Amino acid sequence: EVQLLESGGGLVQPGGSLRLSCTASGFTFSTFAMSWVRQAPGKGLEWVSTISGGGGSTYYADSVKGRFTISRDNSRNTLYLQMNSLRAEDTAVYYCAKGRQQHFDSWGQGTLVTVSS
Amino acid sequence: QTVVTQEPSFSVSPGGTVTLTCGLSSGSVSTSYYPSWYQQTPGQAPRTLIYNTITRSSGVPDRFSGSILGNKSALTITGAQADDESDYYCVMYMGSGIWVFGGGTKLTVL
Repeated sequence: EVQLLESGGGLVQPGGSLRLSCTASGFTFSTFAMSWVRQAPGKGLEWVSTISGGGGSTYYADSVKGRFTISRDNSRNTLYLQMNSLRAEDTAVYYCAKGRQQHFDSWGQGTLVTVSS
Repeated sequence: QTVVTQEPSFSVSPGGTVTLTCGLSSGSVSTSYYPSWYQQTPGQAPRTLIYNTITRSSGVPDRFSGSILGNKSALTITGAQADDESDYYCVMYMGSGIWVFGGGTKLTVL
C-alpha cells in the first residue's frame, strides 16, 4: 500500500524559511515523479512543483519560482520542499503526491504552513 | 497563462445524473492534456477518480466516468449518492512539466 507522510509544516514569519518533507513507502520511490500541491484555506488546489524520479528535472509554478526548491533523496525515500522568502499567500496545506501516467495517483494527508507575523 | 475553468457549483438529486466539465480559457481540451479528476471532502486529502481522460482509478465505482464533451473534459456521475457531495477538481497537463488545476466544483446532492 502506498503511503505518503508529510511533515515540517508550522508557523513562520513573512520572509522566513521552512523545509517540508514527505516520506514515502509501499512503492519503488526512485521510479516515480513526485509533486507538491497546495491548498490555501477555503480555496482550491494549486500545483506547486514536480521532480522527476531521478531528480534531474524539476518544474515550478510561476508563483513559487525562485523561492521554492524541490528535491528528493531516493536512498531515504523522501521528498523535500525548501521554501524561502515566504509570503502570507503561501499559507496553505501542502500535499505531496505520487505521479503516474500523467496524473497524481496517490496523495498524502498534508501539512499546514502558516505564514504570519 | 491558460486558465482551467470549472463550474463553481452544481446540484443533483439523489439517484440522478450530473456532468461536470473542465475547459480551457483558450482552445479546446483534448487527450493531449491528460485531464484527470479528483474528489475532495472537507478536511481530507484529494482522491483520484479519473485519469488520462477516461480511465477510472483503482477502486472507483463505475458510476463515475470521464469523457471529452465538445471542447471540454467531462466527469459524469450516474446514480448520484449522498456521499458524492464533495468538491471536484480537474487538472490539465500543459507540457514542459507544468500542471494547472481548475478552480473546483462544489457538488451538492439534494
